[in-house]
Amino acid sequence: GAGVSQSPSNKVTEKGKDVELRCDPISGHTALYWYRQSLGQGLEFLIYFQGNSAPDKSGLPSDRFSAERTGGSVSTLTIQRTQQEDSAVYLCASSLSRGKIVPEAFFGQGTRLTVV
Amino acid sequence: KQEVTQIPAALSVPEGENLVLNCSFTDSAIYNLQWFRQDPGKGLTSLLLIQSSQREQTSGRLNASLDKSSGRSTLYIAASQPGDSATYLCAVGLRGNNRLAFGKGNQVVVIP
Repeated sequence: GAGVSQSPSNKVTEKGKDVELRCDPISGHTALYWYRQSLGQGLEFLIYFQGNSAPDKSGLPSDRFSAERTGGSVSTLTIQRTQQEDSAVYLCASSLSRGKIVPEAFFGQGTRLTVV
Repeated sequence: KQEVTQIPAALSVPEGENLVLNCSFTDSAIYNLQWFRQDPGKGLTSLLLIQSSQREQTSGRLNASLDKSSGRSTLYIAASQPGDSATYLCAVGLRGNNRLAFGKGNQVVVIP
């Protein structure tokens, strides 16, 4: 597809379970970002991947959160032992990053996670 | 820390009126500023991107201005239509860490 694709679009899970969220960036985009949007809050940065460089994990809220990007393309965000405060929309974005420049970011439709 | 504020948080206008949405940011050392549209339950759609060296960008009925020195951007939507009803998000590209800092959005309702 032409855009950023995320799956699943909705996920309901029980507290304490692990979840995996998937992001397929736009083909050829070297930069990939995960953001979280909680009810009534702005988008919160989670993690940033750029090519083969070590990811910027400084936005991950706890060690229950992790992410990987395989082959410089698809990314998976994993939340272990989910808590109710993890309920949010998780948004993935990709861009053609050029060094320190922040070019136009393209977002996916998001995964709405509900922890019950 | 970069703070991005959008005022008003919500507004309703009759169809045909022009919309003016304001965004302010505290640190003028930005690479660019991007306006997005978000429909309920959906992701973000990029509307306009203004580089730090630019003063404005236009696309159809949309015009965005940037005054970096005063830390402000304004999104103008001319002759609003009911289909313009959505939340509009402002985001600044931060120097040095390759991320976007977002405001909480302007929720717009255009009344037919």
